[in-house]
Amino acid sequence: AQSVTQLGSHVSVSEGALVLLRCNYSSSVPPYLFWYVQYPNQGLQLLLKYTSAATLVKGINGFEAEFKKSETSFHLTKPSAHMSDAAEYFCAVSGADMRFGAGTRLTVKP
Amino acid sequence: EAEVAQSPRYKITEKSQAVAFWCDPISGHATLYWYRQILGQGPELLVQFQDESVVDDSQLPKDRFSAERLKGVDSTLKIQPAELGDSAMYLCAVSDRRENTGELFFGEGSRLTVL
Repeated sequence: AQSVTQLGSHVSVSEGALVLLRCNYSSSVPPYLFWYVQYPNQGLQLLLKYTSAATLVKGINGFEAEFKKSETSFHLTKPSAHMSDAAEYFCAVSGADMRFGAGTRLTVKP
Repeated sequence: EAEVAQSPRYKITEKSQAVAFWCDPISGHATLYWYRQILGQGPELLVQFQDESVVDDSQLPKDRFSAERLKGVDSTLKIQPAELGDSAMYLCAVSDRRENTGELFFGEGSRLTVL
């Protein structure tokens, strides 16, 4: 069965600092991988997706993620954090259905 | 226009009462999902529909939960009777019509509080 593990339930960075949210996946077949963002009391919004094309995927709001098969990782990064990036971030893998990680809450300090 | 509309956005009920949630996607989405998201956790699949048929309801607590999608478009999720542990966000999602990547489009969710 496919699954993802997000390392770190809470990440705190200063405004302007690098954002790094970690995700490792488990899949017996080439996976489709996703990052979603969720703001309080809202649904999930797609940030970016990997579908076996380019390994470096660029998404909305300046986020990007790199698929590394050798490390079974799909970490999310942003060079410079903004206050508006504060939210819950979910990594997900798509197979028979979509499986989500437990989420990482990003806090951005002024 | 949002792919998926959900109602109500918020629902407060007492335990043992019945509650219902509605999901109204833009037509053309064959596959529809209901997820439950407990506070501080990721969404977990409750039920998956392909048109009007249930494809997967293995995680749906069938003694109290029911879901239907009669005309293959909109869907309802019902809980009867509600229990304290049902407090959560209930999310409806549909899959991308254009690509077969499994990407999901989510509604805004219905937050349930059971007192």
